[in-house]
Amino acid sequence: EDKVVQSPLSLVVHEGDTVTLNCSYEVTNFRSLLWYKQEKKAPTFLFMLTSSGIEKKSGRLSSILDKKELFSILNITATQTGDSAVYLCAVALRGSTLGRLYFGRGTQLTVWP
Amino acid sequence: DAGVIQSPRHEVTEMGQEVTLRCKPISGHNSLFWYRQTMMRGLELLIYFNNNVPIDDSGMPEDRFSAKMPNASFSTLKIQPSEPRDSAVYFCASRRYSLQGGRINTQYFGPGTRLTVL
Repeated sequence: EDKVVQSPLSLVVHEGDTVTLNCSYEVTNFRSLLWYKQEKKAPTFLFMLTSSGIEKKSGRLSSILDKKELFSILNITATQTGDSAVYLCAVALRGSTLGRLYFGRGTQLTVWP
Repeated sequence: DAGVIQSPRHEVTEMGQEVTLRCKPISGHNSLFWYRQTMMRGLELLIYFNNNVPIDDSGMPEDRFSAKMPNASFSTLKIQPSEPRDSAVYFCASRRYSLQGGRINTQYFGPGTRLTVL
């Protein structure tokens, strides 16, 4: 079964809009949650979250984790066409599977000019 | 510093042929991961190594797939014989493994090999 579920699967917005991408997970021995951006090629790292309630920011992107409710959100404000990509959420676990990431299916974001 | 290097970038082959994909991780990284990405199944972990030792190969689809890491700077993923359903983008990723965790657990992806099996 899916351990990491992202929503929505696809999102189309206009430049300047604000978007919120969701990632929920159901795992034991949670260690951290990571967000990646994938354009035409390889995923590139955005954020890693390990503690609840602490927002991570990078420019117009921000993310926060809720370990009690088992989800994370990725916010993008004032979207630009260059934000168009697939955004992947992944969870890392403690213990014997340390190192392995469990990826969600991703959210395809399309930003129109 | 160079990122993860993969070769070839594109491979087109015929069903039944052997395919070998290559990966050079980032220098100093001691964990290496092979992923496969398709539209239908998304990003799937095939196998990963810590300090050149395979840790989890449960994602390897079947015996036609094999992976090796003879040293810290090189890994191969081999498919023999290849089938059309193996067509996908294969990514290699590396990271510096540590029990302390933190940012150093972040995986860095190579550009991928797009495999087409006709």
